[in-house]
Amino acid sequence: KAGVTQTPRYLIKTRGQQVTLSCSPISGHRSVSWYQQTPGQGLQFLFEYFSETQRNKGNFPGRFSGRQFSNSRSEMNVSTLELGDSALYLCASSGGLAGVVTDTQYFGPGTRLTVL
Amino acid sequence: KQEVTQIPAALSVPEGENLVLNCSFTDSAIYNLQWFRQDPGKGLTSLLLIQSSQREQTSGRLNASLDKSSGRSTLYIAASQPGDSATYLCAVRDGNNRLAFGKGNQVVVIP
Repeated sequence: KAGVTQTPRYLIKTRGQQVTLSCSPISGHRSVSWYQQTPGQGLQFLFEYFSETQRNKGNFPGRFSGRQFSNSRSEMNVSTLELGDSALYLCASSGGLAGVVTDTQYFGPGTRLTVL
Repeated sequence: KQEVTQIPAALSVPEGENLVLNCSFTDSAIYNLQWFRQDPGKGLTSLLLIQSSQREQTSGRLNASLDKSSGRSTLYIAASQPGDSATYLCAVRDGNNRLAFGKGNQVVVIP
C-alpha cells in the first residue's frame, strides 16, 4: 500500500499571505489528522477529519482551517500567515471502517512551511 | 490537559549498548500509547502501538512497556546500532482520537 503523501513538500510564503496544504491518506483510511511541529512547542494537534466531517479540533486560531473530500483526501488552509506559522505540518491517517481510537496513526513526510 | 514528558531530551550511547527511553504522562485515561521515530526533517515512523489493556509490545530489537496506572512507558532498544540514531517520540491517544506528544528523546549511537 502506498503511504500517506503530502504536497507540496516545501513552501515559502510572506506574512499576510495564505497557504493550502494537501494530504492523501493511505487507501481505505477515513480519518485524517493534522499536526504542527515546531522546535519550541513540539508536535501539536490541529484537527481531525473523518468522513468529511471535522471530528476534533486543537487549540489553534480560526486562521487554521481544513476540509476533507469524499475520497478522504484532506486540505488545510492557513490564512493571514504570521512568522510564527513557520513549521513542519504533518498529516496522519488511521482507521478503516470506523476510525476507532485504537488504530495506529501513519504519518506523511510533512510540508515544511517558511514564512518570511 | 494531558502532559507527556520524555527525559532526557538527548543522549549518546556507544554502539552495542541497550537503549532505554522513558515517557511519562499525567492523565491515565488513555486509549493507547504509540512510539515513533523521526529522522531529521522527516515525518514520523510508527514503531510500536500499545493498547491501554496491554502491558507491552515487541518488534524485533524493540520492546515497549506500559504502566497505565503510574503513567509511564519505556522503550527498550537492544544492541543499539548507528542506524538507530534519531529522535524517538512518545504519544498518548485520548478518547477524542487526539495524540498528545512528548518532545522526544534525541538519540545518537556512536560507532
